[in-house]
Amino acid sequence: EVQLVQSGAEVKKPGESLKISCKGSGYSFTSYWIGWVRQMPGKGLEWMGIIYPDDSDTRYSPSFRGQVTISADKSISTAYLQWSSLKASDTAVYYCARRSSYYYFDYWGQGTLVTVSS
Amino acid sequence: ESVLTQSPGTLSLSPGERATLSCRASQSVPGSFLAWYQQKPGQGPRLLIHGTSTRATGIPDRFRGSGSGTDFTLTISRLEPEDFAVYYCQQYGSSPATFGPGTKVEIK
Repeated sequence: EVQLVQSGAEVKKPGESLKISCKGSGYSFTSYWIGWVRQMPGKGLEWMGIIYPDDSDTRYSPSFRGQVTISADKSISTAYLQWSSLKASDTAVYYCARRSSYYYFDYWGQGTLVTVSS
Repeated sequence: ESVLTQSPGTLSLSPGERATLSCRASQSVPGSFLAWYQQKPGQGPRLLIHGTSTRATGIPDRFRGSGSGTDFTLTISRLEPEDFAVYYCQQYGSSPATFGPGTKVEIK
Protein backbone atom coordinates (compact mmCIF):
# COMPACT_ATOMS: atom_id res chain seq x y z
CA GLU A 1 0.00 0.00 0.00
CA VAL A 2 1.35 3.38 -1.02
CA GLN A 3 1.62 5.73 1.94
CA LEU A 4 2.99 9.22 2.43
CA VAL A 5 3.34 10.08 6.10
CA GLN A 6 4.08 13.67 7.00
CA SER A 7 5.63 15.13 10.12
CA GLY A 8 3.46 16.71 12.79
CA ALA A 9 2.07 20.18 13.25
CA GLU A 10 4.50 23.01 13.97
CA VAL A 11 4.13 26.36 15.73
CA LYS A 12 6.90 28.83 14.99
CA LYS A 13 7.72 32.50 15.37
CA PRO A 14 8.40 34.84 12.44
CA GLY A 15 12.04 34.66 11.38
CA GLU A 16 12.53 31.08 12.58
CA SER A 17 13.57 28.25 10.29
CA LEU A 18 11.63 25.04 9.71
CA LYS A 19 11.94 21.75 7.85
CA ILE A 20 8.96 19.43 7.49
CA SER A 21 9.10 15.92 6.12
CA CYS A 22 7.20 13.38 4.04
CA LYS A 23 8.13 9.70 4.21
CA GLY A 24 7.06 7.42 1.41
CA SER A 25 6.47 3.70 1.66
CA GLY A 26 4.86 0.88 -0.29
CA TYR A 27 6.48 1.80 -3.60
CA SER A 28 9.84 2.59 -5.15
CA PHE A 29 10.50 6.04 -3.69
CA THR A 30 13.20 6.87 -6.22
CA SER A 31 10.95 6.22 -9.22
CA TYR A 32 8.33 8.93 -8.71
CA TRP A 33 8.44 12.69 -8.30
CA ILE A 34 7.15 14.06 -4.99
CA GLY A 35 5.33 17.37 -4.95
CA TRP A 36 4.42 19.91 -2.29
CA VAL A 37 1.10 21.75 -2.22
CA ARG A 38 0.11 24.66 0.02
CA GLN A 39 -3.38 25.29 1.37
CA MET A 40 -3.75 28.54 3.27
CA PRO A 41 -6.58 28.77 5.83
CA GLY A 42 -9.92 28.48 4.11
CA LYS A 43 -8.32 28.65 0.67
CA GLY A 44 -7.57 26.42 -2.30
CA LEU A 45 -4.60 24.34 -3.35
CA GLU A 46 -1.35 25.83 -4.67
CA TRP A 47 1.30 23.77 -6.47
CA MET A 48 4.67 24.68 -4.96
CA GLY A 49 7.20 22.40 -6.58
CA ILE A 50 8.38 18.87 -7.16
CA ILE A 51 11.48 16.77 -6.63
CA TYR A 52 12.75 13.55 -8.17
CA PRO A 53 14.32 11.72 -5.22
CA ASP A 54 16.67 9.62 -7.28
CA ASP A 55 18.80 12.57 -8.39
CA SER A 56 17.17 15.47 -6.46
CA ASP A 57 16.18 17.24 -9.69
CA THR A 58 13.82 19.97 -8.44
CA ARG A 59 11.31 22.25 -10.12
CA TYR A 60 9.59 25.19 -8.46
CA SER A 61 6.50 27.19 -9.24
CA PRO A 62 7.61 30.78 -9.95
CA SER A 63 5.47 31.87 -6.98
CA PHE A 64 7.54 29.81 -4.56
CA ARG A 65 11.03 29.87 -6.07
CA GLY A 66 13.40 31.44 -3.55
CA GLN A 67 10.80 31.25 -0.77
CA VAL A 68 11.21 27.57 0.11
CA THR A 69 13.64 24.73 -0.50
CA ILE A 70 12.59 21.24 -1.50
CA SER A 71 15.00 18.38 -0.89
CA ALA A 72 15.02 14.62 -0.46
CA ASP A 73 17.03 11.85 1.17
CA LYS A 74 16.50 8.73 -0.89
CA SER A 75 18.30 6.56 1.66
CA ILE A 76 15.37 7.04 4.05
CA SER A 77 12.63 7.59 1.43
CA THR A 78 11.89 11.07 2.72
CA ALA A 79 11.23 14.40 1.06
CA TYR A 80 11.49 17.75 2.79
CA LEU A 81 10.15 21.27 2.56
CA GLN A 82 12.06 23.94 4.39
CA TRP A 83 12.05 27.63 5.17
CA SER A 84 15.03 29.70 6.32
CA SER A 85 12.98 32.58 7.71
CA LEU A 86 9.26 32.05 8.25
CA LYS A 87 6.65 34.75 7.83
CA ALA A 88 3.13 34.90 9.22
CA SER A 89 1.89 34.46 5.66
CA ASP A 90 3.48 30.98 5.60
CA THR A 91 0.73 29.79 7.95
CA ALA A 92 -0.96 26.97 6.04
CA VAL A 93 -1.40 23.25 5.69
CA TYR A 94 1.27 21.73 3.49
CA TYR A 95 0.65 18.49 1.64
CA CYS A 96 3.11 16.22 -0.07
CA ALA A 97 1.86 14.09 -2.92
CA ARG A 98 3.25 11.49 -5.28
CA ARG A 99 3.22 12.50 -8.91
CA SER A 100 2.16 9.61 -11.11
CA SER A 101 3.90 8.65 -14.32
CA TYR A 102 1.32 10.81 -16.10
CA TYR A 103 1.95 13.88 -13.90
CA TYR A 104 -1.20 14.07 -11.80
CA PHE A 105 -0.95 13.51 -8.02
CA ASP A 106 -2.23 10.03 -7.25
CA TYR A 107 -1.40 9.69 -3.53
CA TRP A 108 -1.37 12.41 -0.89
CA GLY A 109 0.00 12.78 2.60
CA GLN A 110 -2.21 13.73 5.53
CA GLY A 111 -0.91 17.30 5.61
CA THR A 112 1.25 19.27 8.04
CA LEU A 113 -0.18 22.39 9.67
CA VAL A 114 2.40 25.15 10.03
CA THR A 115 1.41 28.08 12.22
CA VAL A 116 3.65 31.15 12.28
CA SER A 117 2.75 33.64 14.97
CA SER A 118 4.54 35.98 17.31
CA GLU B 1 0.97 29.93 -16.31
CA SER B 2 -2.46 28.46 -17.02
CA VAL B 3 -5.12 29.95 -14.73
CA LEU B 4 -8.11 27.77 -13.90
CA THR B 5 -11.49 29.11 -12.87
CA GLN B 6 -14.24 26.95 -11.40
CA SER B 7 -17.95 27.57 -11.29
CA PRO B 8 -20.08 27.80 -9.39
CA GLY B 9 -18.23 28.61 -6.22
CA THR B 10 -20.86 26.79 -4.19
CA LEU B 11 -23.48 24.29 -5.30
CA SER B 12 -26.39 23.61 -2.94
CA LEU B 13 -28.09 20.33 -3.77
CA SER B 14 -29.96 17.47 -2.12
CA PRO B 15 -28.85 13.83 -2.00
CA GLY B 16 -29.91 12.05 -5.15
CA GLU B 17 -29.63 15.16 -7.31
CA ARG B 18 -27.19 15.63 -10.18
CA ALA B 19 -24.17 17.93 -9.74
CA THR B 20 -22.45 19.64 -12.64
CA LEU B 21 -19.14 21.38 -11.90
CA SER B 22 -17.28 23.48 -14.43
CA CYS B 23 -13.56 24.15 -14.84
CA ARG B 24 -12.26 26.61 -17.42
CA ALA B 25 -8.60 27.14 -18.31
CA SER B 26 -7.03 30.37 -19.54
CA GLN B 27 -5.24 28.40 -22.25
CA SER B 28 -5.82 25.06 -23.89
CA VAL B 29 -4.78 22.16 -21.65
CA PRO B 30 -2.21 20.06 -23.52
CA GLY B 31 -3.13 16.42 -23.91
CA SER B 32 -6.34 17.00 -21.95
CA PHE B 33 -4.17 16.56 -18.88
CA LEU B 34 -6.83 17.61 -16.42
CA ALA B 35 -7.59 16.01 -13.06
CA TRP B 36 -10.30 16.38 -10.44
CA TYR B 37 -9.78 15.97 -6.70
CA GLN B 38 -12.22 15.75 -3.81
CA GLN B 39 -11.40 17.21 -0.41
CA LYS B 40 -13.39 16.77 2.78
CA PRO B 41 -12.87 18.88 5.90
CA GLY B 42 -9.68 18.00 7.75
CA GLN B 43 -8.52 15.61 5.04
CA GLY B 44 -6.06 15.71 2.19
CA PRO B 45 -7.32 15.74 -1.39
CA ARG B 46 -8.28 12.48 -3.08
CA LEU B 47 -7.81 11.86 -6.78
CA LEU B 48 -11.12 11.25 -8.58
CA ILE B 49 -10.44 11.72 -12.28
CA HIS B 50 -7.31 12.06 -14.43
CA GLY B 51 -6.78 12.54 -18.14
CA THR B 52 -10.10 14.45 -18.22
CA SER B 53 -12.29 11.35 -18.01
CA THR B 54 -10.48 8.37 -16.45
CA ARG B 55 -11.72 7.47 -13.01
CA ALA B 56 -9.04 6.69 -10.43
CA THR B 57 -8.97 3.29 -8.76
CA GLY B 58 -12.01 2.72 -6.55
CA ILE B 59 -13.96 5.78 -7.72
CA PRO B 60 -17.62 4.95 -8.34
CA ASP B 61 -19.08 5.40 -11.79
CA ARG B 62 -21.46 8.15 -10.67
CA PHE B 63 -18.41 10.44 -11.12
CA ARG B 64 -17.87 11.37 -14.75
CA GLY B 65 -15.35 13.76 -16.25
CA SER B 66 -15.58 15.29 -19.71
CA GLY B 67 -14.33 18.18 -21.81
CA SER B 68 -11.44 19.31 -23.96
CA GLY B 69 -9.38 22.36 -24.82
CA THR B 70 -10.24 24.94 -22.19
CA ASP B 71 -13.61 23.69 -20.89
CA PHE B 72 -14.02 20.72 -18.59
CA THR B 73 -16.86 19.31 -16.51
CA LEU B 74 -17.21 16.98 -13.56
CA THR B 75 -20.65 15.43 -13.25
CA ILE B 76 -21.88 13.51 -10.24
CA SER B 77 -24.97 11.69 -11.46
CA ARG B 78 -26.71 11.12 -8.11
CA LEU B 79 -25.26 12.70 -5.02
CA GLU B 80 -24.59 10.41 -2.10
CA PRO B 81 -24.18 11.81 1.43
CA GLU B 82 -20.41 11.21 1.26
CA ASP B 83 -20.07 13.32 -1.91
CA PHE B 84 -20.63 16.64 -0.16
CA ALA B 85 -17.16 18.15 -0.24
CA VAL B 86 -14.96 20.60 -2.12
CA TYR B 87 -13.84 19.68 -5.63
CA TYR B 88 -10.71 21.02 -7.32
CA CYS B 89 -9.62 20.74 -10.92
CA GLN B 90 -5.93 20.69 -11.83
CA GLN B 91 -4.19 21.00 -15.16
CA TYR B 92 -0.89 19.17 -15.36
CA GLY B 93 -0.17 19.55 -19.06
CA SER B 94 1.94 22.65 -18.72
CA SER B 95 4.40 23.79 -16.10
CA PRO B 96 3.74 24.81 -13.44
CA ALA B 97 0.74 22.59 -12.85
CA THR B 98 -2.10 24.70 -11.45
CA PHE B 99 -5.28 24.16 -9.48
CA GLY B 100 -8.63 25.83 -9.71
CA PRO B 101 -10.09 27.64 -6.68
CA GLY B 102 -12.56 24.85 -5.95
CA THR B 103 -16.32 24.27 -5.96
CA LYS B 104 -18.02 23.44 -2.68
CA VAL B 105 -20.92 21.00 -2.98
CA GLU B 106 -23.10 21.47 0.08
CA ILE B 107 -26.30 19.92 1.31
CA LYS B 108 -29.36 22.01 0.52
